[in-house]
Formats: sequence, C-alpha cells, structure tokens
Amino acid sequence: DQQVKQNSPSLSVQEGRISILNCDYTNSMFDYFLWYKKYPAEGPTFLISISSIKDKNEDGRFTVFLNKSAKHLSLHIVPSQPGDSAVYFCAASNEAGGTSYGKLTFGQGTILTVHP
Amino acid sequence: DAGVIQSPRHEVTEMGQEVTLRCKPISGHDYLFWYRQTMMRGLELLIYFNNNVPIDDSGMPEDRFSAKMPNASFSTLKIQPSEPRDSAVYFCASRDNVGREQYFGPGTRLTVT
Repeated sequence: DQQVKQNSPSLSVQEGRISILNCDYTNSMFDYFLWYKKYPAEGPTFLISISSIKDKNEDGRFTVFLNKSAKHLSLHIVPSQPGDSAVYFCAASNEAGGTSYGKLTFGQGTILTVHP
Repeated sequence: DAGVIQSPRHEVTEMGQEVTLRCKPISGHDYLFWYRQTMMRGLELLIYFNNNVPIDDSGMPEDRFSAKMPNASFSTLKIQPSEPRDSAVYFCASRDNVGREQYFGPGTRLTVT
C-alpha cells in the first residue's frame, strides 16, 4: 500500500521556467510533509517542509503548497536552474505515537531535468 | 559538523558472504534510520532506533538482516548470508528529538555477485 505517491517519474523544464513537482498521499493522519533532493551518488538532502496547519511555505526559489482536502502537495521551483536537476522525493510524517513516531514515508521520486 | 558518516561507500561481495555496513549519526541526534533504495521499491525503511533502542524493524526483509546500535554514535547493518537480490544502495539517516527532518549519509552501494 503506497501511502505517498509521485505519479510523474520525470519532468523536463527549460532554464528560467517554473518546475512543478506533485505528490499525493492517502493517509489523513499525516501532519507534516517534506521535500528532499537527491543527486547521483549522494544521499537525499532536506529541501523544504510544511506543517498541515499551513497551506504554503516559501524558501527562496522553492515553495511548497499543501491542499489537505485533496491530499495533495506540490513543490514549485522558480526560476529553475540547471543545478536543480536531481531526483526529488516527497515524504510524509505522522507523529501521533507508537511505531509511526519519527518515521517518514517517501514517494518514489521524480527526476527533474532543467535544460540550459 | 561532518554530517552522517557511512562506511564503506562501495562494497562488492560474493553470494553467501557476510556484509557489515556502518553508520555514525550526527552528534546529539536521538533517532537513527536504515533505508534501502532499489529501482523497484524506491526508498524503503528497514529499521529505526530511538536512543539506541530498536523501535520498528518491520521493514527488515528477513532474518538474514540484523541491525545494532551499541551506543549513540555507532550503528551497524549486517547481512548474513548475502544474496544477489540484496544489491542496492543502503542509506543511514539521523534526526534530533525536535524537528521532523532526517539527515542522510552518502550511502553504501552494495553489489552481491
């Protein structure tokens, strides 16, 4: 049962344009969401996060939007740069207690390619 | 801070051999996680520890896999005996007791022939 889904395996964007990466989840208990970026031969690095009490969080060129009713979040990168080319993972967290505390559930990832 | 440290970065071994992967979490972090990444299954959680105690090992594929955390600064993931289907990249991550973000090491690429 895949609780976090990234339905687009890949996305190609021109430099300077907006990149929009999407993520859907099924577990309504998730209350915190994160985006990670991964370059080849490196571990995932934390990019930006959002709590379920918010619908938007911005950090420089990166903005994450959360639509709780649709169980959907998206990451916007504006403007996109060639150095943004990487695999992007969304992740969700539920710290209600028990063995779920502290865990992240990851999506399958989306490969973003930004062309010069 | 040096971040999460994993060793070795690459491991090539023959089927049936024992493999030990090592991880040093970020100092002061209370949680340590072991993940495996494959093309088929993506990034899957194997086991995680809180204050050196295993909390959830439901992701460990079978009894050939074991993990220990003898102290706050060291953990091992052992596969014995190894099989070709264990070939993957294994990541270690850690987090503190406040934020939700996990910080990943560079990974160990394991190849079992």
